[in-house]
Amino acid sequence: EAQVTQNPRYLITVTGKKLTVTCSQNMNHEYMSWYRQDPGLGLRQIYYSMNVEVTDKGDVPEGYKVSRKEKRNFPLILESPSPNQTSLYFCASSRSRLIPYTQYFGPGTRLTVL
Amino acid sequence: AQKITQTQPGMFVQEKEAVTLDCTYDTSDPSYGLFWYKQPSSGEMIFLIYQGSYDQQNATEGRYSLNFQKARKSANLVISASQLGDSAMYFCAMRELPTGNQFYFGTGTSLTVIP
Repeated sequence: EAQVTQNPRYLITVTGKKLTVTCSQNMNHEYMSWYRQDPGLGLRQIYYSMNVEVTDKGDVPEGYKVSRKEKRNFPLILESPSPNQTSLYFCASSRSRLIPYTQYFGPGTRLTVL
Repeated sequence: AQKITQTQPGMFVQEKEAVTLDCTYDTSDPSYGLFWYKQPSSGEMIFLIYQGSYDQQNATEGRYSLNFQKARKSANLVISASQLGDSAMYFCAMRELPTGNQFYFGTGTSLTVIP
């Protein structure tokens, strides 16, 4: 089954404790992306990757890191989480970086930083 | 400036009626794609419909159609014959091409279908 998976689905952590949210897709998609969703703000893009070893900042990259060492995986790293990073996070992938195919979204990760 | 604007935070529609959700966009690129997504209360993001800037016809997918008015930079979603299961958040999104690699989302419209 074609899908984007994220883990964990729910996470409660404390300020400053490094964490990683994993994202994996099995569709051989070139383009992958991370979003955060906050009430009243919609989805905002954090980082995106157009292919292996190619990543770029979205609108809200501060406090986040990503890497794309393999085509299928695109982990999101919070080196020192803060309460303002409490949010719902989505990973997404798209077939091509050149053509505006739609994105397929993971199920979301609800993160709470205390 | 906001790339995507959805001015209706909440909408109500009677079951079986049609409803239009508004979306305006801002871009100077001639080539772009417009998307609508549905987010039910369970949280997943579901792709509904896509319109390319060069597409001559308005996109349709079952009960969903996109009213694309290029000169007005609007891409409204029309849902015909609303069903209770249509109650959800709806997001409009855009990706500029060929140089843009970001997806821009609006703030969403919460649709409630009334029996």
